[in-house]
Amino acid sequence: EAGVTQFPSHSVIEKGQTVTLRCDPISGHDNLYWYRRVMGKEIKFLLHFVKESKQDESGMPNNRFLAERTGGTYSTLKVQPAELEDSGVYFCASSRQLAATDTQYFGPGTRLTVL
Amino acid sequence: KQEVTQIPAALSVPEGENLVLNCSFTDSAIYNLQWFRQDPGKGLTSLLLIQSSQREQTSGRLNASLDKSSGRSTLYIAASQPGDSATYLCAVGTGYSTLTFGKGTMLLVSP
Repeated sequence: EAGVTQFPSHSVIEKGQTVTLRCDPISGHDNLYWYRRVMGKEIKFLLHFVKESKQDESGMPNNRFLAERTGGTYSTLKVQPAELEDSGVYFCASSRQLAATDTQYFGPGTRLTVL
Repeated sequence: KQEVTQIPAALSVPEGENLVLNCSFTDSAIYNLQWFRQDPGKGLTSLLLIQSSQREQTSGRLNASLDKSSGRSTLYIAASQPGDSATYLCAVGTGYSTLTFGKGTMLLVSP
């Protein structure tokens, strides 16, 4: 069974540009999550999809961030326009069920650097 | 607002030692607690998940305990090996979907 995959692994962009991150969850996992870790801070929750619907987007920092999951398969996270403080590692995770017993499986992350 | 603290921030031990990593959280209304391992440049690997109704979980040389009332969890690693070197993260399930993470403990096990 393939794990959670993310693309690209690294992205370096200029302030003001647009970047789109992609996440492919484990096949059959309805739940997909985005997290972010900025330098020196802990990993923080951004949002949660159940299939194609946003279940919880309370962690999204502002309206420059747009997440989609068309068709309930892969997800994209777009940052437009990017700011310096958006630099960090963006992780995606997926789980089969929505329950206290279910493990979230994480991808390797996308390291975003905004110059 | 849930806050998770991990102590120590870094730990260096010689191979073979038994060690304990600590995690504390401020709100005891949790669904579960997970311990993850992160190797440099890699994603997070789930080590153990403890449901809120459980007291501990074991996997091989790893044992994690949970005391909800005091807001604490410990990860015990027996007979540490150089391959155990990594950052260990504690995360508390505070909603149906949300994990709240600590900053992690960076462990170095020297041969």
